[in-house]
Amino acid sequence: NAGVTQTPKFRVLKTGQSMTLLCAQDMNHEYMYWYRQDPGMGLRLIHYSVGEGTTAKGEVPDGYNVSRLKKQNFLLGLESAAPSQTSVYFCASSYGYAGGTDTQYFGPGTRLTVL
Amino acid sequence: SQQGEEDPQALSIQEGENATMNCSYKTSINNLQWYRQNSGRGLVHLILIRSNEREKHSGRLRVTLDTSKKSSSLLITASRAADTASYFCATGATGGGNKLTFGTGTQLKVEL
Repeated sequence: NAGVTQTPKFRVLKTGQSMTLLCAQDMNHEYMYWYRQDPGMGLRLIHYSVGEGTTAKGEVPDGYNVSRLKKQNFLLGLESAAPSQTSVYFCASSYGYAGGTDTQYFGPGTRLTVL
Repeated sequence: SQQGEEDPQALSIQEGENATMNCSYKTSINNLQWYRQNSGRGLVHLILIRSNEREKHSGRLRVTLDTSKKSSSLLITASRAADTASYFCATGATGGGNKLTFGTGTQLKVEL
């Protein structure tokens, strides 16, 4: 099993450009998440999905959109990139236990720089 | 806003020593988890402790949880150079589904 994979690993954008980050998992997990990690701030939840066809906002959703058309994929889009979106983006997935005690499995991250 | 705050922010010890890092949080939780992140990598789950548990062990890891103080500690015994990483606590809020809120992390360096 590959676990959670992210594409691309690195990307440099100019302000105003758009891009899509792809996350794929092969563990048949229901839940998927997108985080951003900035120095000294830990991970902050951008958007998440509790199943195919569903999405929900996290802590810092502004400037991002997501889609979960297939259970195994979760896409994160930046419509008009801004320098403040320079960060490392992590995707994660989890089984979706009813008791709220999921552990999350993380991808390797995408390092995005917006000039 | 961050739910968990780790203390210390950075810790440097010698191989063989024990490392203790602490996490404080603000709201009611149903579980607390610890994750490790090696430089340039994704996070890896280490251990989960439920709100009705006080202590849990996994290999060289020992986690305690004090819900009255809203705090947790992670102890790594007999540390190794390979334990050098950042460690994050993450809380699952009561009624929050399976979402986690991560702390700011402790950078641990284990020197030979």
